[in-house]
Amino acid sequence: EPEVTQTPSHQVTQMGQEVILHCVPISNHLYFYWYRQILGQKVEFLVSFYNNEISEKSEIFDDQFSVERPDGSNFTLKIRSTKLEDSAMYFCASSEGTGRGGRPGELFFGEGSRLTVL
Amino acid sequence: AQKVTQAQTEISVVEKEDVTLDCVYETRDTTYYLFWYKQPPSGELVFLIRRNSFDEQNEISGRYSWNFQKSTSSFNFTITASQVVDSAVYFCALSDFNRDDKIIFGKGTRLHILP
Repeated sequence: EPEVTQTPSHQVTQMGQEVILHCVPISNHLYFYWYRQILGQKVEFLVSFYNNEISEKSEIFDDQFSVERPDGSNFTLKIRSTKLEDSAMYFCASSEGTGRGGRPGELFFGEGSRLTVL
Repeated sequence: AQKVTQAQTEISVVEKEDVTLDCVYETRDTTYYLFWYKQPPSGELVFLIRRNSFDEQNEISGRYSWNFQKSTSSFNFTITASQVVDSAVYFCALSDFNRDDKIIFGKGTRLHILP
């Protein structure tokens, strides 16, 4: 069964450092997402990406964050200057489409990348 | 504004008991989607079900059933004859029908099934 893969599974970094989280979405999917989950709390939407541009982003996704699809398979989340409060599990997800063309809301999530900022 | 409330933070039941997970939502949208996701101990999020707001028919899938009541803005999830493998965190979620690429999750209910 195709799956979304994320690397690294765990990253420890110093405050102020740049971090890039990597994701390989399911190959025929068109929509890509990043969510995060601070330990023990709810899953929060960060950003959605379609057709090589951001389609929606939350207030959490400020100028410190960026996303990129550098080639046909990878989807990355960059945090330019990490803060302590960025410590969380970051989930990448992909979907075939949205209500306009696919199965809405059936996101396929990766296993997450745990980011620890010291 | 959209909001999903899962009032039960944590539930423990003995194996084979039935358990219902509550979900109440708020939205100004007249059309929307509701979802349930499961997060097992391994950490990934697993899609369970999607319901659109104009389909109030309840759904059953094996031991799982969902009760959508628009009048009370609730979308409850029942597991019958629970099993230890059902132990997980369960998230209820909501999205605008026209912006279903942005899903708002509740805080989750941690379910412990005791052997």
